[in-house]
Amino acid sequence: DQQVKQNSPSLSVQEGRISILNCDYTNSMFDYFLWYKKYPAEGPTFLISISSIKDKNEDGRFTVFLNKSAKHLSLHIVPSQPGDSAVYFCAASALNYGQNFVFGPGTRLSVLP
Amino acid sequence: DGGITQSPKYLFRKEGQNVTLSCEQNLNHDAMYWYRQDPGQGLRLIYYSQIVNDFQKGDIAEGYSVSREKKESFPLTVTSAQKNPTAFYLCASSPDTFSGNTIYFGEGSWLTVV
Repeated sequence: DQQVKQNSPSLSVQEGRISILNCDYTNSMFDYFLWYKKYPAEGPTFLISISSIKDKNEDGRFTVFLNKSAKHLSLHIVPSQPGDSAVYFCAASALNYGQNFVFGPGTRLSVLP
Repeated sequence: DGGITQSPKYLFRKEGQNVTLSCEQNLNHDAMYWYRQDPGQGLRLIYYSQIVNDFQKGDIAEGYSVSREKKESFPLTVTSAQKNPTAFYLCASSPDTFSGNTIYFGEGSWLTVV
């Protein structure tokens, strides 16, 4: 059973518009969440994280929102740029319980010029 | 520069062969990980190590083995018992597994069975 789900395998957005990538989780012990960006044949690179004590974290064009009651988080990219085209992975961890990071299956974002 | 180095980038394995993927980090991280990515799938944990001379099985450890003799090194051996080894393998590290820290990845290694 997947503990971290990204139900949209792909997403296409026009350049300059907002990209919203969604992630759902089932384990209520998860207390730390991360988003990674991955280009083909490269390792994922860290984008942004959020602890369960917050509901929002912002870093430049990237904002992550956490809704604990819904067990849902989302990554907003504004404005979207062609260089943002990549696969985005959501990851969760129950760090206080020593549980390792669990990754979602990823969403492929295509930003069209 | 600090980082995680994986080698080789591309590796071909014949049926029945064991192969070893190298992973070295100079970030002084205690924890290291090996993940596997198959096309269209997320990252699945093979093995992880929280400290030198200790390692634990992840979700898909069968057919793989690891060692952690040095803090900076965490090699992965893909044995002949692994039935579907063709995949993209990612090594990662983090300061430890018990704090709100980020996990950092290497560039990955492609393994193909020929």
